[in-house]
Amino acid sequence: GEDVEQSLFLSVREGDSSVINCTYTDSSSTYLYWYKQEPGAGLQLLTYIFSNMDMKQDQRLTVLLNKKDKHLSLRIADTQTGDSAIYFCAEKAGGYQKVTFGTGTKLQVIP
Amino acid sequence: DTAVSQTPKYLVTQMGNDKSIKCEQNLGHDTMYWYKQDSKKFLKIMFSYNNKELIINETVPNRFSPKSPDKAHLNLHINSLELGDSAVYFCASSQDSGSNQPQHFGDGTRLSIL
Repeated sequence: GEDVEQSLFLSVREGDSSVINCTYTDSSSTYLYWYKQEPGAGLQLLTYIFSNMDMKQDQRLTVLLNKKDKHLSLRIADTQTGDSAIYFCAEKAGGYQKVTFGTGTKLQVIP
Repeated sequence: DTAVSQTPKYLVTQMGNDKSIKCEQNLGHDTMYWYKQDSKKFLKIMFSYNNKELIINETVPNRFSPKSPDKAHLNLHINSLELGDSAVYFCASSQDSGSNQPQHFGDGTRLSIL
């Protein structure tokens, strides 16, 4: 079965880099996503990576994928207070390409 | 020009009642989903429809019945509401079920059972 794990909480100072980690178990994963959820809102897609890629960069966001260890990370450079939110990783796998979400990491940015 | 819209945004009702949540997407997507997010923010898929056909049905009580009158709409009806049904319910859609296209989420319906 599929299982996606994340640490629950991360606190960083404004201007530092944040690294949010995620591990997954389904080796048939095809796509891996990072979503952001601000308080009282739905999930907003930040970026995604295909499972045959190692890295993807998009402005302040860098996604690293270690397929051997089934480990995904999201690095946010120059973290701002507006980055405070819950970040979910998600994997797409299985027959109907079901998306399974991680447990979410709450990022707190200290001014 | 909201992409995925859910109504109502808030729903407060008593145990034992029956209620419905509606979802509509104007993105032209073929696939729609319902998710439940509990108080610890865990997000679990409940149902998925592709072009009005049910393709994912996770272990959800029979009291929950989705209905898709057309591919732009996926409604969720809940019978005999229980305290444990209190959660935020998110509707989402994607272009199809098999490609890399990500899911677009609505803003959620906050259901509170008294």
